[in-house]
Amino acid sequence: GNSVTQMEGPVTLSEEAFLTINCTYTATGYPSLFWYVQYPGEGLQLLLKATKADDKGSNKGFEATYRKETTSFHLEKGSVQVSDSAVYFCALNRGGGADGLTFGKGTHLIIQP
Amino acid sequence: EAGVAQSPRYKIIEKRQSVAFWCNPISGHATLYWYQQILGQGPKLLIQFQNNGVVDDSQLPKDRFSAERLKGVDSTLKIQPAKLEDSAVYLCASSFGGATNEKLFFGSGTQLSVL
Repeated sequence: GNSVTQMEGPVTLSEEAFLTINCTYTATGYPSLFWYVQYPGEGLQLLLKATKADDKGSNKGFEATYRKETTSFHLEKGSVQVSDSAVYFCALNRGGGADGLTFGKGTHLIIQP
Repeated sequence: EAGVAQSPRYKIIEKRQSVAFWCNPISGHATLYWYQQILGQGPKLLIQFQNNGVVDDSQLPKDRFSAERLKGVDSTLKIQPAKLEDSAVYLCASSFGGATNEKLFFGSGTQLSVL
C-alpha cells in the first residue's frame, strides 16, 4: 500500500521564522495528498490538500505543492506564530482502490515567542 | 454544528479483558472510520464504513477486534481479549463522502491503557 515519511520532531522555531516540514510519499498511481493538524487538546483537522500533480493547497498561511517528480508534499509557512504550535500529519490515500487515509508519524511543532 | 462524539474519554483495563468504544458521527455523514493511534505514531486505519456496510477492514485484527455500525449512524468498536499492545488512542472520524474528496472530522478519541 501507499506510505508517507515525514521529518521527525520536535521542530522548535521562534515566532515569525520560516517553516518547512518535509513529507515524501511512496504510492502507486496518483494519490491525493493531505496535511492534517492537531492543536493541543483538540481533534485532528484538515489543514490543506492537493489532488493532482503541481496543485498547491493553501490555508491559514500554510502552503504545500504536490511534486510528482520528487514525490514530495512539503508544508511551508512564511512567518509562524505561537498559535501554530501543534502536531502536523502528512497523509495520502491508502491505495489499491481503498479510500481511507494513511498518515505519517506526525511532526510536533513548537513556536517560541 | 455538533462534532464527532466519542465515549468513554479514557479507559483502563487489564490484559485479556474486553472493552468497547462508542462513536456518534456528524449527522448526515455516510462514511465512518475507526483509527488506532499508538503513542508517537500517526493514526492507522482499522475499519471504514459506508452507511452500515464495511468498505475496508483489511487492517483490522479480526481475531480480537470487531466493529459494527447499526442503522448507518452510531458505531461501536470492541476488543476481546485485549493485549498490552492495544494501548493507544482510538479515533473515530466521519465524512459526508469518501476521504479523497471530503474533509474528515475527527472525534477527541478514547485513550485505552491495557495493564
